[in-house]
Amino acid sequence: KAGVTQTPRYLIKTRGQQVTLSCSPISGHRSVSWYQQTPGQGLQFLFEYFSETQRNKGNFPGRFSGRQFSNSRSEMNVSTLELGDSALYLCASSSGGSMNTEAFFGQGTRLTVV
Amino acid sequence: EDQVTQSPEALRLQEGESSSLNCSYTVSGLRGLFWYRQDPGKGPEFLFTLYSAGEEKEKERLKATLTKKESFLHITAPKPEDSATYLCAVHSGGYQKVTFGTGTKLQVIP
Repeated sequence: KAGVTQTPRYLIKTRGQQVTLSCSPISGHRSVSWYQQTPGQGLQFLFEYFSETQRNKGNFPGRFSGRQFSNSRSEMNVSTLELGDSALYLCASSSGGSMNTEAFFGQGTRLTVV
Repeated sequence: EDQVTQSPEALRLQEGESSSLNCSYTVSGLRGLFWYRQDPGKGPEFLFTLYSAGEEKEKERLKATLTKKESFLHITAPKPEDSATYLCAVHSGGYQKVTFGTGTKLQVIP
């Protein structure tokens, strides 16, 4: 069974640009969550999508947005990039209808903003 | 606001030396507490979910317990391959989001 796939693995962008990250969940999983991981702040929850609807949202500015497609694949977009957006972005998928269920993480996308 | 604090930040053990990692939390309506293991350069790997005080779960050398204020991850007779960062997270019904602690970096020396 294929795991969670995130693309690209590495990305370098310039301040002010925008970026789109992609996440393909495990087949059959309908919930996809996104996290930002930095050495100083640890893992921080961005948002969760379930059946194409954003169900939960963390405390991030509106520059961070996402969407989920009918095949459960999800994308995350960050507009007007800032240096502080440099981080490892992780997505996780789960099968259940609640965030309580076991989540499987991808390898992450390492974003560097210069 | 939900808070999760893990201690110690780092722990160095000799192979076979048992110990416990702590995760204390303050949440609005606990829906679940999770433990994950993260190896360098990889995403977290799910270990356990605990739902209510008094609950315990075991997997190989790991045992997770939960009280109303904290959770412990007990590691019995650890091996070098148990070296990793262990993350605790809570799902809050009040804020409908998941909050992670900053982790405990465990090193097991042969």
